[in-house]
Amino acid sequence: KNEVEQSPQNLTAQEGEFITINCSYSVGISALHWLQQHPGGGIVSLFMLSSGKKKHGRLIATINIQEKHSSLHITASHPRDSAVYICAVRNYGGSQGNLIFGKGTKLSVKP
Amino acid sequence: ETGVTQTPRHLVMGMTNKKSLKCEQHLGHNAMYWYKQSAKKPLELMFVYNFKEQTENNSVPSRFSPECPNSSHLFLHLHTLQPEDSALYLCASSQDEAGGPYPEQFFGPGTRLTVL
Repeated sequence: KNEVEQSPQNLTAQEGEFITINCSYSVGISALHWLQQHPGGGIVSLFMLSSGKKKHGRLIATINIQEKHSSLHITASHPRDSAVYICAVRNYGGSQGNLIFGKGTKLSVKP
Repeated sequence: ETGVTQTPRHLVMGMTNKKSLKCEQHLGHNAMYWYKQSAKKPLELMFVYNFKEQTENNSVPSRFSPECPNSSHLFLHLHTLQPEDSALYLCASSQDEAGGPYPEQFFGPGTRLTVL
């Protein structure tokens, strides 16, 4: 079993829908990242959070440390949001580069 | 040029070839990373360099040889690779401060490597 699990693996939505992607982890963490990977491979960091909630434009990320769970929400989704969304956690006490990655959620937003 | 750049973007090589991947960061960061992303698998950390010193090597085979001549440039030298080494190789950088919180990593676009 992976230490970081994402659901769903694949998600298809219609333009304008509200989208939620979930991430659960089984280790103690000091931070959690949400990353966006577009076709072609480039990765963009969306959020890094260790508690509470962060918002950037139409994107909202929340984390519940007690439940070891984070969600990424996209409001008013758009076809340009189509990408793979990756959750990664930094193991508490882990070394500098030691991010543990989920397998990603592939999102496709249809016009 | 801004952010993290990688060249080449695509590379096809035979098992007996020697090639190098290049990463350059224009963010003034002091740490750089190599990651491997294989199909349907999570990203895997390969190497970490901090102030040009290698601080992590995650049991990577010796056919992958990193080089960090300065804090802005990172290379991955490849020789006698296997077909299973075909993957997307991603470079990232971050600004580490002693005693500070874990830093956010900024990723390059990746090099898509195919080994025939």
